[in-house]
Amino acid sequence: QSALTQPASVSGSPGQSITISCTGTSSDVGAYNYVSWYQQHPGKAPQLMIYEVSNRPSAVSDRFSGSKSGNTASLTISGLQAEDEADYYCSSFTSTSTLVVFGDGTKLTVL
Amino acid sequence: EVQLVQSGAEVKKPGESLKISCKGSGYSFTTYWIGWVRQMPGKGLEWMGSIYPGNSDTRYTRYSPSFQGQVTISADKSVSTAYLQWSGLKASDTAMYYCARNPDINSDILDYWGQGTLVTVSS
Repeated sequence: QSALTQPASVSGSPGQSITISCTGTSSDVGAYNYVSWYQQHPGKAPQLMIYEVSNRPSAVSDRFSGSKSGNTASLTISGLQAEDEADYYCSSFTSTSTLVVFGDGTKLTVL
Repeated sequence: EVQLVQSGAEVKKPGESLKISCKGSGYSFTTYWIGWVRQMPGKGLEWMGSIYPGNSDTRYTRYSPSFQGQVTISADKSVSTAYLQWSGLKASDTAMYYCARNPDINSDILDYWGQGTLVTVSS
């Protein structure tokens, strides 16, 4: 099972919006509304930011939003802040025996 | 407050065995799956497998094909702890290992994570 495809890096200035894409297949992203996004700061454990494509845990800022179209999911961060600088990973449930597949990860730089 | 607390860092030699732990608190340990995730140095996340501590049937332990036969996942509900073990470590097992709570095996949601256990395998 190949990893989901994410851009290696994205960047934006404070206050701007950025979008990170996550491309899978009809066996994972395209088949289920089980796409999650995780934020990982250096040396820290990942944190769930979005689940089931577009739902936010209560503790996560509403500047984070998710969507999906076909085999591609997206994470949008609006009003960028310095604290958003981190690695972001998408994941999806999959119909294969792997069950869960992650993206390669995207490094977000806040300029 | 939901917490997953993992055991401390380990340094092992190739061929040695190892068992690391993940203790849950603040929720009903037997009604959620626990997943294990590997992160090799400078690399991304990989799902290794999951276990449902509330049922000891082998059907309630799932492995990614990449890790089947390479590790063993187990749990002891009496102490609310899940385990990940190796019987013969390799240098390529050097990584950070995270446990995380999974509300439903038929989803990818990992809503609470442990702090990670760094495993270093070196001769």
